[in-house]
Amino acid sequence: EVQLVESGGGLVQPGGSLRLSCAASGFTFSSYGMNWVRQAPGKGLEWVSHISSSSSSIYYADSVKGRFTISRDNDKNSLFLQMDSLRDEDTAVYYCARLSTAAAEDYWGQGTLVTVSS
Amino acid sequence: DIQMTQSPSTLSASVGDRVTITCRASQSISSWLAWYQQKPGKAPKLLIYKASNLESGVPSRFSGSGSGTEFTLTISSLQPDDFATYYCQQYSNYRTFGQGTKVEIK
Repeated sequence: EVQLVESGGGLVQPGGSLRLSCAASGFTFSSYGMNWVRQAPGKGLEWVSHISSSSSSIYYADSVKGRFTISRDNDKNSLFLQMDSLRDEDTAVYYCARLSTAAAEDYWGQGTLVTVSS
Repeated sequence: DIQMTQSPSTLSASVGDRVTITCRASQSISSWLAWYQQKPGKAPKLLIYKASNLESGVPSRFSGSGSGTEFTLTISSLQPDDFATYYCQQYSNYRTFGQGTKVEIK
C-alpha cells in the first residue's frame, strides 16, 4: 500500500525556518517525481515545488522561489522541503504528493500544518 | 502563468442529480488536466487525469471531457459521498489549480 507521511510542521515566527519531511513507503520511491502542494486555511490548493525522480529537475512556484528548497534522499525514501524566511502567507497545510506515470498527483499524504505567526 | 477558472464556485444539488463543473484555462493546455475531489480535513483525491481518463477505483459516474482550454467534470448521478469540493489542475506548464467548486446538498 502506498503511504506518504509528512512531518515537521509547527508554529514558527516570521523570518524563521522549518524543514518538512515526507516518508514514503509501499512503492519504489526512486522511480517517481514528487511535489509539495499547500493549502492555506479555508483556501484552495497551491502547487509549491517539484523534484524529479533523480533530483535532476527542480521547480518552484514564484511565491516561494529563493526561500524554499526541495530535496530527496532515495536511499531513505524521503522527501524534504526546507523553508526559510517564512512569511505569514506561508501558513498552510503542506502536502507531499506522488506523480503518477500520467504526471498527475495520484497519492497524497495527510498533510502537516505550518503556522507562521508572532 | 496559466490561470485556471472554475465555474460555478458553489453548486447546490440533490442526490441523483446530474452535475457538471466547468474549468477554463487561460491558454491551451492540450489534455494536461486533472480533477480532484477534496473533503474537509482530508487530502485531495485524484478522479480524472489527462482530461478524460478515470483513475483506478473511481466510480464510473465520474467523467471528464475537453481539450485545449475548455474542460468539464460530470457526475452522472450524484451520490451522498460526492458532496465535496472539486478542483481542476493543469499540468501542462508546472501546475495551477482552479479555485474549487463546492458541491452542497440542496
